[in-house]
Amino acid sequence: DAGVIQSPRHEVTEMGQEVTLRCKPISGHNSLFWYRQTMMRGLELLIYFNNNVPIDDSGMPEDRFSAKMPNASFSTLKIQPSEPRDSAVYFCATCSRDRNSPLHFGNGTRLTVT
Amino acid sequence: GIQVEQSPPDLILQEGANSTLRCNFSDSVNNLQWFHQNPWGQLINLFYIPSGTKQNGRLSATTVATERYSLLYISSSQTTDSGVYFCVFISNFGNEKLTFGTGTRLTIIP
Repeated sequence: DAGVIQSPRHEVTEMGQEVTLRCKPISGHNSLFWYRQTMMRGLELLIYFNNNVPIDDSGMPEDRFSAKMPNASFSTLKIQPSEPRDSAVYFCATCSRDRNSPLHFGNGTRLTVT
Repeated sequence: GIQVEQSPPDLILQEGANSTLRCNFSDSVNNLQWFHQNPWGQLINLFYIPSGTKQNGRLSATTVATERYSLLYISSSQTTDSGVYFCVFISNFGNEKLTFGTGTRLTIIP
């Protein structure tokens, strides 16, 4: 298995632009988590899905952030409009709740908003 | 909320030394994982260990669920072991959140 695949690996954009981060979970995994990591705040859970349904989005910082999981093999995290304070590494992680399996992380997307 | 505390926060060791990292949690555990975040930022799964002991090469982990702690042992440390070690706590099977510990930053000096 190729693991959790995130794209792009790096994204540099100007303030005000829309940013879309993508995640492909490991096949068979039915839980998906979006995390953000910064030096100041460490790892923060933004939102997680179970069987494509958003379960808890209380970590989403504000309305500029939105996440979707249209099917079991794809999720997006969108920021519109982006701001410099959104600069961070965004991780996607997946696991199978049914099999009580380990959590696996993608390699992350490093976002820089100038 | 659930508290997950890791100690020590920072550890600097000479290559070849052994180390023990600790994770204390405040609630009954369904499962617990140890991760290593390497200097390139990748989060690598080390152990998935709700209870008991597991070993993988120079690394081993023990979770004592009844006493609400887990330990990660690193023997004969190498410079590639440097990075941040996180424990991740999973409280109940279902629609639960995962709770990350604050991490232990390990630096191995050649």
